[in-house]
Amino acid sequence: EAQVTQNPRYLITVTGKKLTVTCSQNMNHEYMSWYRQDPGLGLRQIYYSMNVEVTDKGDVPEGYKVSRKEKRNFPLILESPSPNQTSLYFCASRWGQGKSEQYFGPGTRLTVT
Amino acid sequence: GQQVMQIPQYQHVQEGEDFTTYCNSSTTLSNIQWYKQRPGGHPVFLIQLVKSGEVKKQKRLTFQFGEAKKNSSLHITATQTTDVGTYFCAEDTGTASKLTFGTGTRLQVTL
Repeated sequence: EAQVTQNPRYLITVTGKKLTVTCSQNMNHEYMSWYRQDPGLGLRQIYYSMNVEVTDKGDVPEGYKVSRKEKRNFPLILESPSPNQTSLYFCASRWGQGKSEQYFGPGTRLTVT
Repeated sequence: GQQVMQIPQYQHVQEGEDFTTYCNSSTTLSNIQWYKQRPGGHPVFLIQLVKSGEVKKQKRLTFQFGEAKKNSSLHITATQTTDVGTYFCAEDTGTASKLTFGTGTRLQVTL
């Protein structure tokens, strides 16, 4: 089954404790992205990757890191989480350039206290 | 960055009533995609519009792309409780992996 998986689905952590949210897709998609969803603000892109070892900042990259060492995986790293990073995070993937639908993972609800 | 405004933010209808959400941009859109997110779920792709003035239908859902490619709408005829969720439009710039989402319209349907 074609899918995007994320782990963990729920996470409660404390300020400053490094964490990683994993994302994996089995569709051989070139493009992968991370979004955060906050009430009233819709979906905002954090980082994206066009292919292995190619990543770039989205609209709200501050406080986040990503890596793309393999085509299927695109982890999101919070080196020193802060309460304003409490949010619902979605990983997504799609085929090559433009005009293709995006597949979303199930989401990770992160709470930073 | 590119701003895609979506209205209304929220709408509550009774089952059987129609519903429309609008997506507006200050600049010409390359193409537009629509997604639906059920409560507690993730966004799911509905459709993509590419051509000026394009109209596409999916059962009770009608999607339109404006003639000037600066706006789009999603109309649901005779809503059902299964239509509950948040509807997002998203502009695809066609480059990199940049999809800019609207703020979404949350639809509540009651019996």
